[in-house]
Amino acid sequence: DAKTTQPPSMDCAEGRAANLPCNHSTISGNEYVYWYRQIHSQGPQYIIHGLKNNETNEMASLIITEDRKSSTLILPHATLRDTAVYYCIVLGFNTNAGKSTFGDGTTLTVKP
Amino acid sequence: NAGVTQTPKFRVLKTGQSMTLLCAQDMNHEYMYWYRQDPGMGLRLIHYSVGEGTTAKGEVPDGYNVSRLKKQNFLLGLESAAPSQTSVYFCASSYPTEQYFGPGTRLTVT
Repeated sequence: DAKTTQPPSMDCAEGRAANLPCNHSTISGNEYVYWYRQIHSQGPQYIIHGLKNNETNEMASLIITEDRKSSTLILPHATLRDTAVYYCIVLGFNTNAGKSTFGDGTTLTVKP
Repeated sequence: NAGVTQTPKFRVLKTGQSMTLLCAQDMNHEYMYWYRQDPGMGLRLIHYSVGEGTTAKGEVPDGYNVSRLKKQNFLLGLESAAPSQTSVYFCASSYPTEQYFGPGTRLTVT
């Protein structure tokens, strides 16, 4: 399974964009990049996913490099409620039936 | 839709006792997963299932067994609980795109 590497922690000022990086240099051609977040001890919450193209939804944007070896999750206007642990994972449902390793994620702290 | 539910929410076991955690989903998802999360760490996959009647081992399967007799239910069993199994257990299901997680079961083994 492709592994991901994320910085352990980041800070962001409220109202500013939060850019969370992820390295996934061993990603295979049919594997997707998924982002989740976990607030306190709740179950992880899906944010966004992508294969090759950049993606945007109501929560965030996902920028994937052309070689697909890294990606960046962008929260355009971070709020205090976005303080959470953010996980970047790689999933290939055709190759490994959706098995995923979450790693330790990035703890994002949004400050007033 | 209730989404993914887990029973129980909390449980305290003594070493050597057994128990079963129940995960139920009402989204008709094919894939279901069991994870554990220890303090300050990410989620680790215990077992997963790609359909009714099928199960497979994940990253940390030792000490656990699972069954998927019905599509909507995924059971996680601890035959002889150990203190090392003290953790928060999360169940998830997927179609197979994004995973939907349950609220978790906090298990303490003394």
